[in-house]
Amino acid sequence: AQTVTQSQPEMSVQEAETVTLSCTYDTSESDYYLFWYKQPPSRQMILVIRQEAYKQQNATENRFSVNFQKAAKSFSLKISDSQLGDAAMYFCAYKGYGGSNYKLTFGKGTLLTVNP
Amino acid sequence: DVKVTQSSRYLVKRTGEKVFLECVQDMDHENMFWYRQDPGLGLRLIYFSYDVKMKEKGDIPEGYSVSREKKERFSLILESASTNQTSMYLCASSSPRPGQGGNYEQYFGPGTRLTVT
Repeated sequence: AQTVTQSQPEMSVQEAETVTLSCTYDTSESDYYLFWYKQPPSRQMILVIRQEAYKQQNATENRFSVNFQKAAKSFSLKISDSQLGDAAMYFCAYKGYGGSNYKLTFGKGTLLTVNP
Repeated sequence: DVKVTQSSRYLVKRTGEKVFLECVQDMDHENMFWYRQDPGLGLRLIYFSYDVKMKEKGDIPEGYSVSREKKERFSLILESASTNQTSMYLCASSSPRPGQGGNYEQYFGPGTRLTVT
C-alpha cells in the first residue's frame, strides 16, 4: 500500500520569505500523480498544485512550485514570497495511475504559520 | 467551477442517534468520497462511490454506511452515533474524464464538524 509522509507537523515563515514543505511517499508503481492541497482556517480544501510522475519538469503555479525527485520519492512544495493568506494546513497526496485507481492517499499535514 | 456542498457546517448529535450527512456536487462527477479528518491523523477515507448505487469501503468504514441514489448526491450515514465519531467530515468528488478537472484531482466540500455527546 502506498504511504505518504509529511515529516514537519508545523512550519513558520516570515512574510515575503520562502518556505519549503517536505513530503515523501512510498510506492511500487511507476506512474502516478502527486498533489499538494491547502486547507485554510475556513476549512475548504483546495488544490494548490499537481505533478504527473511521468513528467520530469517540476510543476509551477505562480508562487508555488514543487521539487519532484522520483528516484528519491520526494515531492516538496516551495512557497515563494509568502503571504499572510498562505497560512493554512498543507496536505501532500498520492494517487495511482489509471481509471480504477480512485483513491487519494494523504499525508498527515503540515501547519504553516506566516508571521507579519 | 466545481462546487461541492455539504448539508451542515456544524452538527451536534446524541449517542445512539442515526445521523445523515449529505453531499451534493454540481459537475456531473462520477466519483464521490467521504473522509474524516482528525488532528494528527490527516484525512482518512471512509467510503467512496464510482457510480450511482456503487460503493466501496475505504480505510475506516466501520460504523458508517453510504447511499448514492443519484449521481450528484452522496450520503454518509452513522447508524448509531458514538462519541468516537466526533470529527470533521469532508466530502469530495472527482472525474476520470480529461478536461473535467482532469488528472483526477478531488474537489472538496467545506466540511461538517460533527460532535456526538
